[in-house]
Amino acid sequence: RKEVEQDPGPFNVPEGATVAFNCTYSNSASQSFFWYRQDCRKEPKLLMSVYSSGNEDGRFTAQLNRASQYISLLIRDSKLSDSATYLCVFYNQGGKLIFGQGTELSVKP
Amino acid sequence: GAVVSQHPSWVICKSGTSVKIECRSLDFQATTMFWYRQFPKQSLMLMATSNEGSKATYEQGVEKDKFLINHASLTLSTLTVTSAHPEDSSFYICSARGVIGNEQFFGPGTRLTVL
Repeated sequence: RKEVEQDPGPFNVPEGATVAFNCTYSNSASQSFFWYRQDCRKEPKLLMSVYSSGNEDGRFTAQLNRASQYISLLIRDSKLSDSATYLCVFYNQGGKLIFGQGTELSVKP
Repeated sequence: GAVVSQHPSWVICKSGTSVKIECRSLDFQATTMFWYRQFPKQSLMLMATSNEGSKATYEQGVEKDKFLINHASLTLSTLTVTSAHPEDSSFYICSARGVIGNEQFFGPGTRLTVL
């Protein structure tokens, strides 16, 4: 089983839509989860950390479900500028950052 | 946030040549630097971890004699791809971690194309 799995997409949604991504991880000892955003041909940039209690930052909501070993990202009121690849990232037991393959989002006018 | 630069941002070279990529932390001292590689539509894969003044630790499957890493100072690490071949064409990204905290700051990446 892969250490981390994401649906690669692409997710094509109209402006204003709500879209959700999931990411599953295989090792229950994984800790410190994040969502990163990566634009085409650019480096990944931290979007938000993911806390067990769930957390929100404007239009973005992240949740962690340790029992089912997945994290999610919800984007409300999608903007054209949200088009990017969203990476699920976490520290593994050895302290290394593990990156998911990424989910591609394309927001259309 | 902290700033990490990479140079060059892109490079095209002939097969068999060596290419050096620099990674600099501009406003903090990076005790640890990481080198990643990303192929199209794939995730970032850690190649090696380097601590200032010591030898790099390579991930399984990464040839240390082909990907030479030097971390001679607290603000500079270099990755040299020796005898590059077309299959080495990829997006190489470095990240740096400072003395305080665990956050990694990413450089803008270097796109290598080997003809």
